[in-house]
Amino acid sequence: QQQVKQSPQSLIVQKGGISIINCAYENTAFDYFPWYQQFPGKGPALLIAIRPDVSEKKEGRFTISFNKSAKQFSLHIMDSQPGDSATYFCAASSTGTYKYIFGTGTRLKVLA
Amino acid sequence: DAGVTQSPTHLIKTRGQQVTLRCSPKSGHDTVSWYQQALGQGPQFIFQYYEEEERQRGNFPDRFSGHQFPNYSSELNVNALLLGDSALYLCASSLAERSYGYTFGSGTRLTVV
Repeated sequence: QQQVKQSPQSLIVQKGGISIINCAYENTAFDYFPWYQQFPGKGPALLIAIRPDVSEKKEGRFTISFNKSAKQFSLHIMDSQPGDSATYFCAASSTGTYKYIFGTGTRLKVLA
Repeated sequence: DAGVTQSPTHLIKTRGQQVTLRCSPKSGHDTVSWYQQALGQGPQFIFQYYEEEERQRGNFPDRFSGHQFPNYSSELNVNALLLGDSALYLCASSLAERSYGYTFGSGTRLTVV
């Protein structure tokens, strides 16, 4: 019940295309859902985060869509660029705990 | 403004040895969390330190221990190293309120041979 399932494992997108990464969870106590971007040799960096009281949050080319009833959330990267090539992790946490549960990651490659 | 600093960046140890990893949090942050990231996997929570106390612990054995100093910096100690301990160890700092999110360091790559 503590797992966050992430798909796909890898993704190849043409420059200018839309990249979509999906995550699903079981624990209804989760109330904070961040997305992290990780480049090789670096630590994860926070991209965007959402709480379950909104269905969508947009920051620049990055959008989180959240479906509370389905217990799913997704990251959309619009106008994908080669510089977006990285591994993306979704995560979840709940009030009263201090840990994040991370998905297994999606390796994105954007072709020039 | 320096972010999270971890040292060393790489480390090779022999099975059975002990290792200490160090972390300096981002300026203004008072909470330090440690994560283990195996190759091709997401980070796994080890523990979090706040006010020099372990505030929460993940599903890791007692061989993993930590410390937080008055200046908020932290150490992760691993005793009796196993081959399976080989991973990237990430330190993340934050403010005590969880909702502000973590700032991760670049990690320490530990290889146990």
